[in-house]
Amino acid sequence: SQQGEEDPQALSIQEGENATMNCSYKTSINNLQWYRQNSGRGLVHLILIRSNEREKHSGRLRVTLDTSKKSSSLLITASRAADTASYFCATDSTGANNLFFGTGTRLTVIP
Amino acid sequence: GAGVSQSPRYKVAKRGQDVALRCDPISGHVSLFWYQQALGQGPEFLTYFQNEAQLDKSGLPSDRFFAERPEGSVSTLKIQRTQQEDSAVYLCASSVITVYEQYFGPGTRLTVT
Repeated sequence: SQQGEEDPQALSIQEGENATMNCSYKTSINNLQWYRQNSGRGLVHLILIRSNEREKHSGRLRVTLDTSKKSSSLLITASRAADTASYFCATDSTGANNLFFGTGTRLTVIP
Repeated sequence: GAGVSQSPRYKVAKRGQDVALRCDPISGHVSLFWYQQALGQGPEFLTYFQNEAQLDKSGLPSDRFFAERPEGSVSTLKIQRTQQEDSAVYLCASSVITVYEQYFGPGTRLTVT
């Protein structure tokens, strides 16, 4: 089974609005990443936050991490139609040879 | 190209057929990963190679699934006697060495009819 869950499962907003999606995970982690997946395409890495970090920014993206609650959030500011995609969080842990992905949030940005 | 490539992009197989899915990782990447992504779900780990050695195959769902990377570069995921539940997108990823810096290919969408 997958490591994490994301909410909401689907989110629809107007262009220019901010989009926030959340991820919860189950075990201790080393890093947490967010990926974007456009329909029919592979995953594109967006941002990585380490377990000893609480917040990170990259362009219009802001990620927070709360290891005590085993949760993370991704904020996309000033959304654009091109941001329409599915967003996944993924974690890695000591001793694991792979990434564990959440269930994803499907974001639709309406022009 | 500079990225991970996979072929074919789409595959339709009749139930019971064998299929082979190919992954060309980024040149020089030591680690290679296969994931299975069901419709509407996140990717789930299948297997992991470091060079030609398959170090983890704990995610392979049955003994019908077999992966190899004989020369430490190109990898093939083979599914024997395909079943309808095998229908999914199969993603390949590679990294220089680490687990967390993975670069993903576009995937192969397998449909078993």
